[in-house]
Amino acid sequence: ETGVTQTPRHLVMGMTNKKSLKCEQHLGHNAMYWYKQSAKKPLELMFVYNFKEQTENNSVPSRFSPECPNSSHLFLHLHTLQPEDSALYLCASSQEVAGQGLFGYTFGSGTRLTIV
Amino acid sequence: DAKTTQPNSMESNEEEPVHLPCNHSTISGTDYIHWYRQLPSQGPEYVIHGLTSNVNNRMASLAIAEDRKSSTLILHRATLRDAAVYYCILYDNYGQNFVFGPGTRLSVLP
Repeated sequence: ETGVTQTPRHLVMGMTNKKSLKCEQHLGHNAMYWYKQSAKKPLELMFVYNFKEQTENNSVPSRFSPECPNSSHLFLHLHTLQPEDSALYLCASSQEVAGQGLFGYTFGSGTRLTIV
Repeated sequence: DAKTTQPNSMESNEEEPVHLPCNHSTISGTDYIHWYRQLPSQGPEYVIHGLTSNVNNRMASLAIAEDRKSSTLILHRATLRDAAVYYCILYDNYGQNFVFGPGTRLSVLP
């Protein structure tokens, strides 16, 4: 365990389903992130939250909807996804606030999402 | 876009040292250099980071060139469990996050 817990580990869903991915950290970090990792591609940043406020939306389609109710929890709500959305979705947290990259990220193990 | 360049893949023999290079010629004076690794079916794991001076921890050493335009991650004795993709990353001050490139896939031969 890294300190960042993601559930479920695996998810298979149809294109018309609605599901949510959950991420939880109790490291006292104030920033949380969603990344997408498709096969044979680098990690792509999706969303950034600092102190529960969304500070970055990296041109992600509206079928992905993030929610950050408090600094320890982060959700990614999914609806009407496409087959190309099949990927590993990774959550991370950090103490980062003002930039520079002084602090590293702690990643969860990810949710392997398959759209059928 | 990632601001670093790394070889796509490298091979090492078990119990030998491994030197993983990274070029970051556009680095700014305040950018920290971070290294992560990703084992199969897991999320990336922090390895080490530094600014100017060489750094050591229980996992690895980081050697930073004097002009900071390149760095090298050193695994002193590679084990089979060190087989992973290693990412060298700079912090993106504009986007306020880390931008990952394709990394270096390290294979360790027994």
